[in-house]
Amino acid sequence: NAGVTQTPKFQVLKTGQSMTLQCAQDMNHNSMYWYRQDPGMGLRLIYYSASEGTTDKGEVPNGYNVSRLNKREFSLRLESAAPSQTSVYFCASSEVRGTGGRETQYFGPGTRLLVL
Amino acid sequence: QKEVEQNSGPLSVPEGAIASLNCTYSDRGSQSFFWYRQYSGKSPELIMSIYSNGDKEDGRFTAQLNKASQYVSLLIRDSQPSDSATYLCAGSRAGAGSYQLTFGKGTKLSVIP
Repeated sequence: NAGVTQTPKFQVLKTGQSMTLQCAQDMNHNSMYWYRQDPGMGLRLIYYSASEGTTDKGEVPNGYNVSRLNKREFSLRLESAAPSQTSVYFCASSEVRGTGGRETQYFGPGTRLLVL
Repeated sequence: QKEVEQNSGPLSVPEGAIASLNCTYSDRGSQSFFWYRQYSGKSPELIMSIYSNGDKEDGRFTAQLNKASQYVSLLIRDSQPSDSATYLCAGSRAGAGSYQLTFGKGTKLSVIP
């Protein structure tokens, strides 16, 4: 049981290049999330997917696209990378149970992205 | 904008002391609250969750919630050097078919041997 996995672990891009960050979970969770973490800014939600086939914008969606490929996989794409997208990206998943938002979000190990 | 505020620290405590971490939130619609621990270069790991007013204890950790004051805290008793990390407070609110977490910027804790 690997939990949440992310690839790659580290990536260097040049401005204008594109790339896709991959995320997969083996916990049969319905909801998946992409966050970015910058020094002094905390974790900020980019996009999330409440269930297979649905995606919604979070706090900072500009410059990103996502695909919920199936229940296990949720990818994040940078179409034209910019230096402002240099960050650590975390994928998370959770299982929504009932009401009240009591589910735990489990995080992957992160992808460190440097855009030159 | 919904915000979760934390003192960024660093908070330094001697080994064996009680570390007190505080968090305030602006969204009265937030229903559940979480404390995550994040070691340098690692991903966040849940250590406590609290949903109702009052205290919740788990081993050396106690979470406290006061919804009227919009205040959440985490107490770490008998602090150990291994507790040195950044602690993230998060509040949960309903989104489109899911619940979104809003994180504070984190408090860095250093436990001095």
